[in-house]
Amino acid sequence: GAGVSQTPSNKVTEKGKYVELRCDPISGHTALYWYRQSLGQGPEFLIYFQGTGAADDSGLPNDRFFAVRPEGSVSTLKIQRTERGDSAVYLCASSLGPTSYEQYFGPGTRLTVT
Amino acid sequence: GESVGLHLPTLSVQEGDNSIINCAYSNSASDYFIWYKQESGKGPQFIIDIRSNMDKRQGQRVTVLLNKTVKHLSLQIAATQPGDSAVYFCAEVIQGAQKLVFGQGTRLTINP
Repeated sequence: GAGVSQTPSNKVTEKGKYVELRCDPISGHTALYWYRQSLGQGPEFLIYFQGTGAADDSGLPNDRFFAVRPEGSVSTLKIQRTERGDSAVYLCASSLGPTSYEQYFGPGTRLTVT
Repeated sequence: GESVGLHLPTLSVQEGDNSIINCAYSNSASDYFIWYKQESGKGPQFIIDIRSNMDKRQGQRVTVLLNKTVKHLSLQIAATQPGDSAVYFCAEVIQGAQKLVFGQGTRLTINP
């Protein structure tokens, strides 16, 4: 079956611009996660959705970052006033639900802020 | 603070040999651990997991060992193949939370 998909695969934007990154989880997975991965590092947790609500947003670095999942499936990560330090690969993962820790990752969106 | 780390950042082995990748974790409240494989340009791929009430779990060509006394996790890959070349991450789930906490990773290179 289809895995987690993310669009775009690459995004180049200028400092100060607004970007949106999209994640389409595996069908039937109610839990969705966003992580950020810098070069040579492991992924770092940003936010976790169970259904439509953000159950844990403790990893969002500041108020420029926001994520939504209005219908409990597709999620969008939004970054305002981008900074060069936001450059990274943004990974999305999904799992069956809150009792399932097995997370399946998408290919990521590589964001470059110039 | 919470952290998951690795003893060696790089590991080279001959094709057909066994490899062992190590990981140390610091949070004794972690109750679930996963090993992921990440190839260049791709997202992490689930390999094998283990719960804290176990000390060993085997999959196809892979074995994960958990030593809670010293907070150590290892991934053993038997009869390595060129396709095993990748960066390997261990990750932990702290009891009561849902997020994964990853380490820095180990790059495994298989020499022909």
